[in-house]
Amino acid sequence: AQTVTQSQPEMSVQEAETVTLSCTYDTSESDYYLFWYKQPPSRQMILVIRQEAYKQQNATENRFSVNFQKAAKSFSLKISDSQLGDAAMYFCAYTNSGGGADGLTFGKGTHLIIQP
Amino acid sequence: DVKVTQSSRYLVKRTGEKVFLECVQDMDHENMFWYRQDPGLGLRLIYFSYDVKMKEKGDIPEGYSVSREKKERFSLILESASTNQTSMYLCASRVTGGYGYTFGSGTRLTVV
Repeated sequence: AQTVTQSQPEMSVQEAETVTLSCTYDTSESDYYLFWYKQPPSRQMILVIRQEAYKQQNATENRFSVNFQKAAKSFSLKISDSQLGDAAMYFCAYTNSGGGADGLTFGKGTHLIIQP
Repeated sequence: DVKVTQSSRYLVKRTGEKVFLECVQDMDHENMFWYRQDPGLGLRLIYFSYDVKMKEKGDIPEGYSVSREKKERFSLILESASTNQTSMYLCASRVTGGYGYTFGSGTRLTVV
């Protein structure tokens, strides 16, 4: 079974600075997808960024980027120029790439605090 | 705008009651999922369904059952609610062959 580990229950960063959230995972599959989701107090899960394991290039979405190290099974999220609206729970998640009914396996989450 | 709608945002039930949590999606997705979210534990998969009337156990199915009589609707059933089922419940859907999951906004269930 796959596992996802987020070792930082809580992180704090000053507004406008950069923060990196850590995620490691364990799988025996060679092809899979990794995700970072944001959950603000509204509870809506928002997809931040997605990485396909077969792609060597790290995914980027505006101020959000990942450092995907497949051999090390590491998938960290970097948030640049942090904004107050980035404050939320962040979840790292994994799914197999079979395209079937596979659900997401989530980490336990990191609570990100943005200090004004 | 595509949606996954959970019928209740907050729900309070008594111990021993039979509880139904409803989830409806309007995207014609084949796959639907129920997760439970607890502080410090993240989201854990309870059950999922890949077609009408089809269901599979997830990681924590004990104490729960599900029903999928129509493609757009996936119900989570607590046969006899207990206080340890007090939690946030999230529904999600996904099209077969895709990787995009769409989540509902959650039902916070309190069992007293």
